[in-house]
Amino acid sequence: DVKVTQSSRYLVKRTGEKVFLECVQDMDHENMFWYRQDPGLGLRLIYFSYDVKMKEKGDIPEGYSVSREKKERFSLILESASTNQTSMYLCASSLEAQDTIYFGEGSWLTVV
Amino acid sequence: EDQVTQSPEALRLQEGESSSLNCSYTVSGLRGLFWYRQDPGKGPEFLFTLYSAGEEKEKERLKATLTKKESFLHITAPKPEDSATYLCAVRGSSYKLIFGSGTRLLVRP
Repeated sequence: DVKVTQSSRYLVKRTGEKVFLECVQDMDHENMFWYRQDPGLGLRLIYFSYDVKMKEKGDIPEGYSVSREKKERFSLILESASTNQTSMYLCASSLEAQDTIYFGEGSWLTVV
Repeated sequence: EDQVTQSPEALRLQEGESSSLNCSYTVSGLRGLFWYRQDPGKGPEFLFTLYSAGEEKEKERLKATLTKKESFLHITAPKPEDSATYLCAVRGSSYKLIFGSGTRLLVRP
């Protein structure tokens, strides 16, 4: 079975804090993704990575960065959290670019 | 511009009352249409991938179909546990997934 694991399900952070969201997949997938999901706005792509140390900006990369040092792990970093980054964050992975994307359980981030 | 529209936004059914959810799309060079189920507070769970017009796939009470302009997710004799939000997404020539806003399904016992 496909398994994408997001280590933190619920986080509460203060404005200005640096936040790390971690994601691990165990399927040896090449591609990994970070989305955020907000009511009325749907799923929006923040960043994706098609190989170790490689990354591409998605639709809403501002205020975020990512790191992929190992194939199975993809981290999303909020350098200085702001209240408008309160959201559900979803990590996903796929074997090849044209393949099905599988999602993790999500991380609920509240910035106060 | 690639676009996905799902309808209705919300659907209430009685247990056993069959119905269909619609996903209309415009995309240059379809490279897959995907259906996901999402329960409250959880990540989307993959259901089906369809690649070409005329293709159909089934899983338990769900059946997905595809034409050149739209896809339907047919739910036969639904049960309360089928209640969820159903998301449709398409991939075009850019390989990026474009998601619809989803249909919230509620099945009453």
